[in-house]
Amino acid sequence: DIVLTQSPLSLPVTLGQPASISCKSSQSLVSSDGNTPLNWLQQRPGQSPRRLIYGVSVRASGVPDRFIGSGSGTDFTLEISRVEAEDAGVYYCLQSTQWPHTFGQGTKLEIK
Amino acid sequence: EVQLVESGGDLVQPGGSLRLSCAASGFSSNSFWMSWIRQAPGKGLEWVAHINEPGNDKYYVDSVKGRFTISRDNAKNSLSLRMDSLRAEDTALYYCAAWSGVYNYWGQGALVTVSS
Repeated sequence: DIVLTQSPLSLPVTLGQPASISCKSSQSLVSSDGNTPLNWLQQRPGQSPRRLIYGVSVRASGVPDRFIGSGSGTDFTLEISRVEAEDAGVYYCLQSTQWPHTFGQGTKLEIK
Repeated sequence: EVQLVESGGDLVQPGGSLRLSCAASGFSSNSFWMSWIRQAPGKGLEWVAHINEPGNDKYYVDSVKGRFTISRDNAKNSLSLRMDSLRAEDTALYYCAAWSGVYNYWGQGALVTVSS
């Protein structure tokens, strides 16, 4: 199974400051069709997860442009350019290159 | 409004069985692969099972193979998860989710507690 390792696991951030979360894969996430199906999800406290980013860098509908996904191969990053209060929660990376789909451990972003 | 509503969560003894259901509305779920994803209390997300649009292709995480069965009824816009031989480590909130290259829609979850 592909293992996704996120860092940091806890991320205190001041409002208006940037934040960055890393997701490293145990093997390349490039699929046979040349795509890289690496997604990011957000789970706010007490809520279900929701899609943020798919295909490494494509923002899902309704996601603010302060969320930026990047990376390739085995190394990926989610950046938030200026953190807002509503961004508090846990962020997960997810790969769907190979069965089983696997998630990173999650990074808890808290507002200082 | 798009909705996925899970039901069937309960307290069950180890070795017991349970059937979860997920009702979809506001979109055509038969155009999506559908998944069950679980979250143990205070823990992260774990993908459990996945079924394609017609229902003839299924995938499971190793820890549930042979014990869980995913199925769907496209005429009723519904998804099910039959869980047998339940273990304490199956205790979790079980979400159903609709997939089309990304998990577009999620339910609120059904809580399954396996305990004597």
